This record gives sequence, structure tokens and C-alpha cells, in this order.
Amino acid sequence: EVQLLESGGALVQPGGSLRLSCEVSGFIFSAYGWSWVRQAPGKGLEWVATIDHFRGSTFYADSVKDRFSISRDNSKNILYLQLNSLRAEDTAMYYCAKTMYNRYFDHWGQGTVVTVSS
Amino acid sequence: QSALTQPASVSGSPGQSVTISCTGTNSDPPYYKYVSWYQQSPGKAPKLLIYEVTHRPSGVSDRFSGSKSGDTASLTISGLQAEDEGIYYCSSYTPASIPVFGTGTKVTVL
Repeated sequence: EVQLLESGGALVQPGGSLRLSCEVSGFIFSAYGWSWVRQAPGKGLEWVATIDHFRGSTFYADSVKDRFSISRDNSKNILYLQLNSLRAEDTAMYYCAKTMYNRYFDHWGQGTVVTVSS
Repeated sequence: QSALTQPASVSGSPGQSVTISCTGTNSDPPYYKYVSWYQQSPGKAPKLLIYEVTHRPSGVSDRFSGSKSGDTASLTISGLQAEDEGIYYCSSYTPASIPVFGTGTKVTVL
């Protein structure tokens, strides 16, 4: 069964840090690229970061560059997103998504909620 | 990179067809082909409907179809059904492998 299961979301103070995880099953994890996409409350989708399968190259949205870091553990089939220097505007549902050839997102998890507030 | 432009809402009666436009997609080869569409039902994660402009993943109804002309992509829903209600997003890629989503279109079945 294909499954993407995010975890790690929490309430955190501005300036704080958090690590999100996305545990993947039903795919050959190492053969694909993976991304994080977020959605602020009542807002649209915003791409956050992608890590490709080829060289593990990473790509980031300008809004999170130098604060967030995407990584993968192919031995555990887990995708990570390290969130540092969090701001109120980072409050959102964070989805992990399987990424095909850096062209589209064909499978999505159910998301994990990050709330940044004092 | 600015969001792609979509109409805020479209509506139709059951059985009718509706079309959602998405303006600002990349027109340069090969990126002009990298247009995808996603359906987000209330409280749910997005679901891929169309990839590479016209292709439907296995399991997606053939009532959904995609097209593109110039920098504007379109999603047509034929034979509108109550279950089609939700928000629809387009996406396109820039040459720097950066994906951009559309502003989203709420589909209402009257």
C-alpha cells in the first residue's frame, strides 16, 4: 500500500526550530525525488523544497532559503525538513509529496501542522 | 516567482462542463509541457489530476481533461458531479526547476 505519513508538526515560538518527517512506504524511496509543499490557513499551495533522486540536489523557495533544510534517509525511507528561525508566516500545514522528474507531484501525504506563535 | 493566475471561482449545474484557466505558465521548451493540475477536496490533501498538460494518472476520471495554448493552461471538467466540488490548483515549472502553483479556483456544483 502506498503511504506517505508526515509527523513532527507542533506549536513553536518565533525563532524556534522543528524537524518534520515523512515516512514513505509502497515505493522504492531512493528512486524518486521528494518535496515539501505547505498551505497556510485558508490560503493556497506554496512549494517549499525539493530533493531529487539523482544526486540529492536540493532546491528551495526564496521564502525559506537559508532557514529550512530538506534531506532524505534512503535506508529508512524517510524524508525530512529541518525548520530553523521560524516565523509567524511559516504557520501552515506541511505536506510531503513524491516528485516525478521535477515536473509534478503524484502522491501526497495527509500533512502535519506547524504553528509559530508566542 | 509569482503565483499563476486562476479565476477565484467557477460553478455549474450537474452534468454541465466547466473550464478553469491558468495564466502565466512557462512557454519555453521543454518547460511548457510541465503543467499539472491538482484537486483539493475540503479537509483533504491535494490529489494529482493532470500532468504534463494532458495526461491523466491511472484512476482519474476521463471527465477531467487538460490543454494549453501559449502561456495559458486549462482544465475542463465534463459531466460535473457533486463530488467535484473543491479547490483546483494548476502548477508549472520554471527553468530553474522551481515549481509555481496557481492561486486556486473553487468549483461549486449548483
